[in-house]
Amino acid sequence: GESVGLHLPTLSVQEGDNSIINCAYSNSASDYFIWYKQESGKGPQFIIDIRSNMDKRQGQRVTVLLNKTVKHLSLQIAATQPGDSAVYFCAENPPSGTYKYIFGTGTRLKVLA
Amino acid sequence: ETGVTQSPTHLIKTRGQQVTLRCSSQSGHNTVSWYQQALGQGPQFIFQYYREEENGRGNFPPRFSGLQFPNYSSELNVNALELDDSALYLCASSLGGTALLDTEAFFGQGTRLTVV
Repeated sequence: GESVGLHLPTLSVQEGDNSIINCAYSNSASDYFIWYKQESGKGPQFIIDIRSNMDKRQGQRVTVLLNKTVKHLSLQIAATQPGDSAVYFCAENPPSGTYKYIFGTGTRLKVLA
Repeated sequence: ETGVTQSPTHLIKTRGQQVTLRCSSQSGHNTVSWYQQALGQGPQFIFQYYREEENGRGNFPPRFSGLQFPNYSSELNVNALELDDSALYLCASSLGGTALLDTEAFFGQGTRLTVV
């Protein structure tokens, strides 16, 4: 299967600050992208998604930016809270006719009080 | 809560044994995907079932097999368990089965399988 790193990069932010988590995806033909949040011992939780015909989408306190030119995805979290501490994964869906998500290397977000 | 339930939550098996994991999809969803998540890694796609038929498979050997039932619940079977099969197994349900339909996948809490 696709390989991902064993050592998760970590982002530490002060409570109340904004967080930016970055992700590089692999397939330039991917047409759908999702950010998931995964807390310890739980399954991934949907945060926000974006289609390839958009470059920005906003949700509640979260914004996803898509740069297809450099195959880059970012997740911005405004006013980061302690409950945001988790591992964040981006996932891409190549146009395979199935929702076969390819997950990126996760980023651990630590919120400092 | 996503409405996707998996059982059991934890399981310990011996190398060489067989295991069956179960998933109930969210109401109204007809597509179930299974993922394997090793410790410290992102989930890796095993296969997907759409309306009881396999609809895509990742790079997993044939000893990983699945089934989807008329009520869209699903099973993942793994034969001849190996130590490296120890992982969190995640089930995700969605509506569709083709890339033309706009739907995200909702994950269950997973089954933690330990092979000793």
